[in-house]
Amino acid sequence: GQSLEQPSEVTAVEGAIVQINCTYQTSGFYGLSWYQQHDGGAPTFLSYNGLDGLEETGRFSSFLSRSDSYGYLLLQELQMKDSASYFCAASNSGYALNFGKGTSLLVTP
Amino acid sequence: DAGVIQSPRHEVTEMGQEVTLRCKPISGHNSLFWYRQTMMRGLELLIYFNNNVPIDDSGMPEDRFSAKMPNASFSTLKIQPSEPRDSAVYFCASRGLAGGPGANVLTFGAGSRLTVL
Repeated sequence: GQSLEQPSEVTAVEGAIVQINCTYQTSGFYGLSWYQQHDGGAPTFLSYNGLDGLEETGRFSSFLSRSDSYGYLLLQELQMKDSASYFCAASNSGYALNFGKGTSLLVTP
Repeated sequence: DAGVIQSPRHEVTEMGQEVTLRCKPISGHNSLFWYRQTMMRGLELLIYFNNNVPIDDSGMPEDRFSAKMPNASFSTLKIQPSEPRDSAVYFCASRGLAGGPGANVLTFGAGSRLTVL
């Protein structure tokens, strides 16, 4: 089966750092991805972790621990435009991608 | 590249009518996914294709839903007959070849917002 758990909402202040956690139960787990979706828009790819450890892309970093079935997305130097929904997604050996319910991030001034 | 193209962007129909959603994946991508998004259920994977062949349709809610991919550049998702609970945004996404540079990146279309009255 497939299930992913992430917080439903997070609020943070502009300029701060926020971490969005994701735990998963995925048979044949292959990797963990993160996507961003603004209201009314399509999900867009942020990062992918196929191996344990940290992947850094500009202000965004993503981490994976296979032994803990856990990952997180770290957003630094938050900007107002980062207010969006963030989804973790697990891929399995068949390359299907199943998404969590998403975390709504609100960045306040 | 124009990205993943979906049509229609919006559709309002009455219960019982047939609905056909269309998708053109990115040229060269060999995997195509159909998702449904609602507030209650989030992003649900309905079906996905590799090289035009359906690999997993376990997410298709019931027999009223069907999907086809007759060639590498076109796919349809059909609902017949439609019901109010089918109201959602339907996304199509495509992905490049396994092992290639875009192997782990899904590119989504803009979505088709369906309202069934």
